[in-house]
Amino acid sequence: DAGVTQSPTHLIKTRGQQVTLRCSPKSGHDTVSWYQQALGQGPQFIFQYYEEEERQRGNFPDRFSGHQFPNYSSELNVNALLLGDSALYLCASSKNVLNTGELFFGEGSRLTVL
Amino acid sequence: DQQVKQNSPSLSVQEGRISILNCDYTNSMFDYFLWYKKYPAEGPTFLISISSIKDKNEDGRFTVFLNKSAKHLSLHIVPSQPGDSAVYFCAASPNYGGATNKLIFGTGTLLAVQP
Repeated sequence: DAGVTQSPTHLIKTRGQQVTLRCSPKSGHDTVSWYQQALGQGPQFIFQYYEEEERQRGNFPDRFSGHQFPNYSSELNVNALLLGDSALYLCASSKNVLNTGELFFGEGSRLTVL
Repeated sequence: DQQVKQNSPSLSVQEGRISILNCDYTNSMFDYFLWYKKYPAEGPTFLISISSIKDKNEDGRFTVFLNKSAKHLSLHIVPSQPGDSAVYFCAASPNYGGATNKLIFGTGTLLAVQP
């Protein structure tokens, strides 16, 4: 049973560029959340997708956008990259009906912006 | 504004002893609390949780205590094992269950269990 998978694992971009990160949820899960973890900090909630719609959003600018596909996989897009966007981006999935906050996390995509 | 605070960035404990990790929160709307463990190069993994209607939840060597009046929770690990060495994150949610809950994480405590 595959867990949450994310790609790519590492990437380097320059300021102003755009990036797309991908996530496949754990089998049987239909809800995907994205978190940003800066160095030395805890994960911060970006947004959550369920039934292909953004259901909740954290305190992130519109440069951060996402999408959920019919197979429940998800993408996180960040436009006009800033140095401060350098972080580990974590995808987490859950089964909506049984969701009690016990999220299953992927290993993350580490983004470095130069 | 850090709504969930873990004031100890690190903790070192001898194998076999008790590890106590602490967490404070400021938002009285939080009613569900979780602990996650994170090893290097891995995503966080769920460890144990507690709802606000309880003051204690136990799972094997792990026990979480909740003091709502003090807005404080703690994770006890007894006995501590070297494999417990990891970063521990406290997290809170404003509602129990449902599709829209999001987790607010603390900054983490690095636990080192010495053999």
